[in-house]
Amino acid sequence: SQQGEEDPQALSIQEGENATMNCSYKTSINNLQWYRQNSGRGLVHLILIRSNEREKHSGRLRVTLDTSKKSSSLLITASRAADTASYFCATDAIQGAQKLVFGQGTRLTINP
Amino acid sequence: DAGVIQSPRHEVTEMGQEVTLRCKPISGHNSLFWYRQTMMRGLELLIYFNNNVPIDDSGMPEDRFSAKMPNASFSTLKIQPSEPRDSAVYFCASSLIVLWASGSYEQYFGPGTRLTVT
Repeated sequence: SQQGEEDPQALSIQEGENATMNCSYKTSINNLQWYRQNSGRGLVHLILIRSNEREKHSGRLRVTLDTSKKSSSLLITASRAADTASYFCATDAIQGAQKLVFGQGTRLTINP
Repeated sequence: DAGVIQSPRHEVTEMGQEVTLRCKPISGHNSLFWYRQTMMRGLELLIYFNNNVPIDDSGMPEDRFSAKMPNASFSTLKIQPSEPRDSAVYFCASSLIVLWASGSYEQYFGPGTRLTVT
């Protein structure tokens, strides 16, 4: 069964607005990662957050992690048309730590 | 620096034929991962290697699938015989793992091979 599940499955917002995507997982993790996939392309790593971290920033990205609720969120501020893509969370496991399990992704559309 | 290179980018074949997908990881990376992406099942890990040794092949769907990594700069994923349900995008990713037990590391994905089996 898949470890991570994203919510919502699809999100459509206006350019300049903030976009928030959520990820829930089932078992204890070492790290959680977020990736972006543009249509027809490979995945691109965005950010990695460790289980002992609660929040991490990278440019317009903000990721939070709540290990007690087994959930994470990705916030993209001041969205741009170029942010249109699918976003995936990926979790590892305490055992088999290098094995990533990806969620089904959130399809984000930024309308100009 | 060149990223992960995959070939071919597109492959169309008939059911029953052998298909070989190729991957060149980023130079210096010590781990390589093969994934399959479909609309129905999402992104699934098939197998991964560390220092050219297969570590976990539990995601390989059937004996029809096999993967090799003869050296640090090349890996193949072979399907023999191919079936229509194998149609998917296959991704290769590589990573540099420093401490095995410290949790996952950033993975660098190739552009993928879109396989269509008719």
